[in-house]
This record gives sequence, structure tokens and C-alpha cells, in this order.
Amino acid sequence: AQSVTQPDIHITVSEGASLELRCNYSYGATPYLFWYVQSPGQGLQLLLKYFSGDTLVQGIKGFEAEFKRSQSSFNLRKPSVHWSDAAEYFCAVGPILTGGGNKLTFGTGTQLKVEL
Amino acid sequence: NAGVTQTPKFRILKIGQSMTLQCTQDMNHNYMYWYRQDPGMGLKLIYYSVGAGITDKGEVPNGYNVSRSTTEDFPLRLELAAPSQTSVYFCASSSPTTKTQYFGPGTRLLVL
Repeated sequence: AQSVTQPDIHITVSEGASLELRCNYSYGATPYLFWYVQSPGQGLQLLLKYFSGDTLVQGIKGFEAEFKRSQSSFNLRKPSVHWSDAAEYFCAVGPILTGGGNKLTFGTGTQLKVEL
Repeated sequence: NAGVTQTPKFRILKIGQSMTLQCTQDMNHNYMYWYRQDPGMGLKLIYYSVGAGITDKGEVPNGYNVSRSTTEDFPLRLELAAPSQTSVYFCASSSPTTKTQYFGPGTRLLVL
């Protein structure tokens, strides 16, 4: 069964500092990988996704993520964090093969706090 | 283009009451999903649907029912509300090819 681990429950960074949020997955084959962001009281918004090809993917709001097959990881990064990035971030994994509802498995989330 | 809409935004229920959470999408997506989100637990899939008339259980279906009579709508029914169903409920939709799930703003449910 697939699983996603986000080992950091809370992370605090200073505005302008760099950020890396960790995500490790367990999956039987190469999966689709996603990062979503959730602001307080809001739904989830897609930041970026990896399906195939270049293992470094760019997303919205200046975020990027790197797929490392050998480490089963898909870490999210941002060079310089803005106060508006404070939110909860979810990593998710899903099947490459179409069918079966394309169900996603989500990690438990990382809460990001930004200090001014 | 409203995307995925959910009503109500917030509801308080008494134990044993029933209610229906509404979800509508205007993206013509075949796939739709219901999740619940509890603090520190991420999102858990309750039910999903791959098209009108076709639904299936997710990870935590007990205490819930769904139906899908149209492509646009996917309501979630709670028949006998219990305190354990206090949660935030999210509806999402996707197409089979793009696989990206688009989420609604959520319904916060409190069962007392």
C-alpha cells in the first residue's frame, strides 16, 4: 500500500530565509507526486506536480520540488520565504495508470510559520 | 468558472441528526471525491466516484453515504451524526487524464 511521510509537523523560518519541506513516499511503481498548500480556513491549492521527465519541477509562488527516485523523496523548496507563505503544506502520491479513480494518498502535512 | 463549490460552509448538528453536504463542480470532471480532514491526520478519503451512477468506498466510509446522479453534483450524506464526525469536509474533482485534484473551500461540521 502506498504511504506518504512528512516528517516535520511544524517548521518556523525567518522571512527571506530558504525553505525545504521534506516528503518521502512508499509506492510500488513510479507515482505521480503533488504538493498542495492550504491557507487557514481554505481549501487545498495545487503548488506543483511531477508526472515524468525533468526531476526538478517548478510551481506557483516561486516553489520548486525535486523528485529523487533513489531516495523516494519529493522535497519542496523555496529560495526566499515571504510572510504570505505561512500555511500548511501537503505532499500527495497517486497512480500513474489511469483508472481506479486516480485516488491520492496524502501526508499528514507540515505547518509553516514565518517569522518577520 | 467557479470550480468546486461546497455548501454549507459551517454547520452544527446534534447527535443523531442527519444532513447532506453539497458539492458541485463546473469543470466537467468525471472523477469526484470526498475527504475529511482532522488535525494532524492529513486528508482521509471517504468516498469517490468515477462518473454518474458509479461510486465506491474510500478509506473511512463508515457513517456516510453518497450518490452521483449527474456529472456536476456529488452530495455526501450523514445519516446519524456522531461526535466522531466532527471534522472539516472537502470535496474535490479531477479528470482521468490530468489527475490533478481541485478542491472546494470545505465544510466545517461540529456534532454536539
